[in-house]
Amino acid sequence: QQQVKQSPQSLIVQKGGISIINCAYENTAFDYFPWYQQFPGKGPALLIAIRPDVSEKKEGRFTISFNKSAKQFSLHIMDSQPGDSATYFCAASAHINDMRFGAGTRLTVKP
Amino acid sequence: DAGVTQSPTHLIKTRGQQVTLRCSPKSGHDTVSWYQQALGQGPQFIFQYYEEEERQRGNFPDRFSGHQFPNYSSELNVNALLLGDSALYLCASSLMGQGPYNEQFFGPGTRLTVL
Repeated sequence: QQQVKQSPQSLIVQKGGISIINCAYENTAFDYFPWYQQFPGKGPALLIAIRPDVSEKKEGRFTISFNKSAKQFSLHIMDSQPGDSATYFCAASAHINDMRFGAGTRLTVKP
Repeated sequence: DAGVTQSPTHLIKTRGQQVTLRCSPKSGHDTVSWYQQALGQGPQFIFQYYEEEERQRGNFPDRFSGHQFPNYSSELNVNALLLGDSALYLCASSLMGQGPYNEQFFGPGTRLTVL
């Protein structure tokens, strides 16, 4: 069922560094690409999302880069902080249909 | 503004039993989607309810069924539980017709353990 491939599986970054998580999709009908942040024991929380009519979206320290021709998108976390340590999921959906999630990236930011 | 709420928080059942999980959507939302999240994996779509009807269904057997009530809240029922049904069950709410995109907000989930 998974149509979104996410990498890396885990990532360790020093405080103040840049965290980069990548995703690739197959279904060209996908038109909405959100990123979710999940802490242990909690549900996923919407972090930032992008639509395919733009190549980049920035919200604070979080940036999504989108490459429609390559069918890839990535999340950049600038100035990473220990509080950013969590599991991050990329996802994609086509119009109002079901959301397809990547397998997740466990991010650890070391102080 | 209340977010998505789910009950119970945790549940332990034995194989063959039946379970019912409950979800109340975010205020103003009318659509509820259910996901299963196995340990260490991303959420997998089970089904979506809108106007008290199942609109879409993922690759899950008929043992998984649901219901949506007139107040938009929803239930997920799983019959004949298997060990492999142990997972975090997530409810997500959204507003149909808000636009062509699918902005979903998740609840904290129900942790189901099948022994």
